[in-house]
Amino acid sequence: GAVVSQHPSWVICKSGTSVKIECRSLDFQATTMFWYRQFPKQSLMLMATSNEGSKATYEQGVEKDKFLINHASLTLSTLTVTSAHPEDSSFYICSARGLGGEQFFGPGTRLTVL
Amino acid sequence: AQSVTQPDIHITVSEGASLELRCNYSYGATPYLFWYVQSPGQGLQLLLKYFSGDTLVQGIKGFEAEFKRSQSSFNLRKPSVHWSDAAEYFCAVDLKAAGNKLTFGGGTRVLVKP
Repeated sequence: GAVVSQHPSWVICKSGTSVKIECRSLDFQATTMFWYRQFPKQSLMLMATSNEGSKATYEQGVEKDKFLINHASLTLSTLTVTSAHPEDSSFYICSARGLGGEQFFGPGTRLTVL
Repeated sequence: AQSVTQPDIHITVSEGASLELRCNYSYGATPYLFWYVQSPGQGLQLLLKYFSGDTLVQGIKGFEAEFKRSQSSFNLRKPSVHWSDAAEYFCAVDLKAAGNKLTFGGGTRVLVKP
């Protein structure tokens, strides 16, 4: 089956620093990947759609300068949380869309900003 | 407003008993419909999906779901719950015309009593 990995699985950083999260499709190519944010005991909220070779499309209310997305290859998308603050602490989940249109999800990255 | 609703925030069920999780959507056209399960520390796993055709869909782990157009519902069922079914369950819709973006319901946490 299609496997999506995320790295790191968890990260703790100081306020004001930047954190990069990687999302990889391990056994298939994905022209489109998605980034979600999940607060404790809440649902997933789509942040942005990442398209290989082009700019990401951000959902309303998501700051594109705060959450930088790069999709430089068909198997890798990165999310960089710039100048992180405690309110950015959350669970970040990526997914990669397969040929059939189905999304395959990564295990998530828990970010804690001190 | 367009939305996906899971009316039950949490459900407690005895092991061996049946389980039904409700999902209602509010969209003009019938979207693609999905049920995902999220276990602690793990990514979302697809249980089943409905695109078209037979309205009773069989999934993995003994789950099934029934699409009812008249009720705009896609309820998930399992005849006999196992302790390992304790998890968070999410209903999601894909509006098809929106770049295959998924919109998730609020989730239902299932607790299984021995």
